Order: sequence, then C-alpha cells, then structure tokens
Amino acid sequence: SQQGEEDPQALSIQEGENATMNCSYKTSINNLQWYRQNSGRGLVHLILIRSNEREKHSGRLRVTLDTSKKSSSLLITASRAADTASYFCATVPTDSWGKLQFGAGTQVVVTP
Amino acid sequence: DTGVSQDPRHKITKRGQNVTFRCDPISEHNRLYWYRQTLGQGPEFLTYFQNEAQLEKSRLLSDRFSAERPKGSFSTLEIQRTEQGDSAMYLCASSPEGSRTEAFFGQGTRLTVV
Repeated sequence: SQQGEEDPQALSIQEGENATMNCSYKTSINNLQWYRQNSGRGLVHLILIRSNEREKHSGRLRVTLDTSKKSSSLLITASRAADTASYFCATVPTDSWGKLQFGAGTQVVVTP
Repeated sequence: DTGVSQDPRHKITKRGQNVTFRCDPISEHNRLYWYRQTLGQGPEFLTYFQNEAQLEKSRLLSDRFSAERPKGSFSTLEIQRTEQGDSAMYLCASSPEGSRTEAFFGQGTRLTVV
C-alpha cells in the first residue's frame, strides 16, 4: 500500500501561473521528499524537507511540512511548459529508514 | 556517466517465461532499491539492499521474485513464471548511506507480459 496521497490528482494551468499540490501521509516520518517524473522516465529528486523543518525553498519551488497534520505542499511558482510532469511526494518513515514510500502523484500540465 | 543504469530498457516476454533485470547504481552508493510502478500510480517499494545485504522486502515481492546484490555493486531482479499482472515499470534507485539523503533513480525497465 502507498503511504501518501497527493491532491489534486491532476492539475492544468497556463504558463506563468503557480501550481500547488498537496500530500498527506499516515505514519511518523524522518523526512519527506518531492520527486518529478516525465512520462515514461525515471524520477528526479526535487527537494527534501526534514521532519523538524517547516518550510524550504529551492529556486521556483517552495515546500511546506506540517507534521501535526501529516501533510506537505509543493508550490511551483511562475510555471513553464517544461514543468509538465507528474509530481510525487515520498516519505521516509521513522520505523523503516531504508525506504521511500510514494504517493500516487499529481499530474501537472502547463500550457503555453 | 555516473548515474543509475538499468538494462534492458524494455522487455517483452511471454507469460510463464523468466526475466532478469540488471541495475548498476552510482558507484559510491551503499543503498540500492527496487520499485515497481504501474500506469497512473506512484512507485511501490519492492526491496532494498545495504551493500550486499537485503535488509527489507515488501509483501508485494512474491516467491516468484528474487533480488540479489552479490558484491554490493550491481543488482539483479528476477521474475520467474511471469504473469500478465507483472507488466509494469521496474525502477532501481541508489543512495548514500543515511536516511536524510535523496535517492537517484534509473530510467527503469518496462516489462510487458503477453
């Protein structure tokens, strides 16, 4: 079974707009990571946020983490057509530090 | 290239046949992971190795599945007596030791069982 759930499942926006997606998870975590996947390709790591952090930035990405609500959000600002991809959150549980548990992902389409 | 390499990229096999996939991780990475991903879903954890030791296996990994990492470098994933339900993308990833690091994924092996 998968650990997290992303919301929304799909998101369609125009270039220049911001894209926000959310992730909820079930167990205590060591950290939470966001990955991106282009169609039919492998996953690329975007950003990692530790359980004792609340917000993190990397370029046009902003990630928040609320451990009390067991949720995280990923914001992509000023989106570009090249941001079209599926985005997954993945958690590292505290009771199983060796593996990532992924959600089902949010499919983002950015139209020019 | 020092990324994670998987071979083959695509495999079509008949039901009942055995298949084996190979993963070459980033050379200095101790940890190696196998995941399975079906269309529209996130990757599902199968198993992981720390060096040559297989430390955890998912219940998804039936008796028909076996993974090895004999010398702590490359790994193989074998599926015996393939079934149509095994059709999926099989992803390999590696990471340095430690829980606070990202995983680096290969491009995956797409298996189609006909």
